[in-house]
Amino acid sequence: AQSVSQHNHHVILSEAASLELGCNYSYGGTVNLFWYVQYPGQHLQLLLKYFSGDPLVKGIKGFEAEFIKSKFSFNLRKPSVQWSDTAEYFCAVIPMDSSYKLIFGSGTRLLVRP
Amino acid sequence: SAVISQKPSRDICQRGTSLTIQCQVDSQVTMMFWYRQQPGQSLTLIATANQGSEATYESGFVIDKFPISRPNLTFSTLTVSNMSPEDSSIYLCSVRTDYNYGYTFGSGTRLTVV
Repeated sequence: AQSVSQHNHHVILSEAASLELGCNYSYGGTVNLFWYVQYPGQHLQLLLKYFSGDPLVKGIKGFEAEFIKSKFSFNLRKPSVQWSDTAEYFCAVIPMDSSYKLIFGSGTRLLVRP
Repeated sequence: SAVISQKPSRDICQRGTSLTIQCQVDSQVTMMFWYRQQPGQSLTLIATANQGSEATYESGFVIDKFPISRPNLTFSTLTVSNMSPEDSSIYLCSVRTDYNYGYTFGSGTRLTVV
């Protein structure tokens, strides 16, 4: 079945550590890709998005993601995390044949220890 | 981007009753969506709320269980009918806010059915 997979359900890091969260999707056609973040008690917020062009996308708060088409992946990275990055991170995909429906991965809970 | 007010923020309901969740947007939007996030799981699209016509439901969701209204371009309601404990979830309203597939989310309604 078509899906979005996030392999890490829980990640614990110390401040200043590097972060990489995996995201793979199984849609074969053209896709738009997103990473959302949900800080404790807050709304879902858009971190970054990829539609076309440079596969390395930079978002807010120092996050970036790389689209690797051959691997159907869109991994999220940050060189040095902060305690304030503690949140849940969701990868999401719009398959371009889906009438604008945003399909989410299962999410990754990140805890950054001071 | 649009600002979404979602009410109630949380509720505890008896099984067999119904709850209506409201989603108010501060600007006119064409596309509104309702999502469900069950405990420990991903966000699942319930339906697309269409202004002036019936909502479009995803596989596994039916109008009798989740009736949706969309009387205008700034407001929608989702009703969870004849509730059971399995309906305990967070329900989120989302709107598409710009051509580049920007989606904004409400803060969610945390529903517990006892």
